Amino acid sequence: DAGVTQSPTHLIKTRGQQVTLRCSPKSGHDTVSWYQQALGQGPQFIFQYYEEEERQRGNFPDRFSGHQFPNYSSELNVNALLLGDSALYLCASSLETDFSGNTIYFGEGSWLTVV
Amino acid sequence: QKEVEQDPGPLSVPEGAIVSLNCTYSNSAFQYFMWYRQYSRKGPELLMYTYSSGNKEDGRFTAQVDKSSKYISLFIRDSQPSDSATYLCASRRGSNYKLTFGKGTLLTVNP
Repeated sequence: DAGVTQSPTHLIKTRGQQVTLRCSPKSGHDTVSWYQQALGQGPQFIFQYYEEEERQRGNFPDRFSGHQFPNYSSELNVNALLLGDSALYLCASSLETDFSGNTIYFGEGSWLTVV
Repeated sequence: QKEVEQDPGPLSVPEGAIVSLNCTYSNSAFQYFMWYRQYSRKGPELLMYTYSSGNKEDGRFTAQVDKSSKYISLFIRDSQPSDSATYLCASRRGSNYKLTFGKGTLLTVNP
């Protein structure tokens, strides 16, 4: 059973560029959340997608946008990259109907370096 | 004030020691409390999960939540070098609400 898969694993971008990160949730999961983890910090919630709509959003600017596809996979887009966007971007998937809520699985992340 | 505070350490202990990791939180609406383990340059993996106050034990790991003092703890007995990792506490409100993490504590268990 494949867990949460993310791509690419590492990438380097220049300030001002745009980046797209991709996530495939764990089989059977329908909810996808994205987190940003700066070096030495805990993950910070960016947003959550369910039924192809953004349902919750953290304190991130509009430069951060996302999408969820009918197969539940998701993309995170970041425009006008800043040096401060350099971080590990984590995708987490879960099942909406799991009311215990203890089945949130994280992917290995995408390391983004902005130079 | 951050909603979840965690001493980042680092913490270094000898093999076999009992490790105590702690967090405090400020949001009274938090109902679910988790501990994640994160190895270097990897994604977090769920270690322990607790709903509301109480204790939960799983092998060498014990999680405690005291909602009256807004205190979250993780105890590791008979620590092993393979336990060396960053430990993240996290809290949330509803079952599919966002996770709010602490900064993480870097633990090293020395053979």
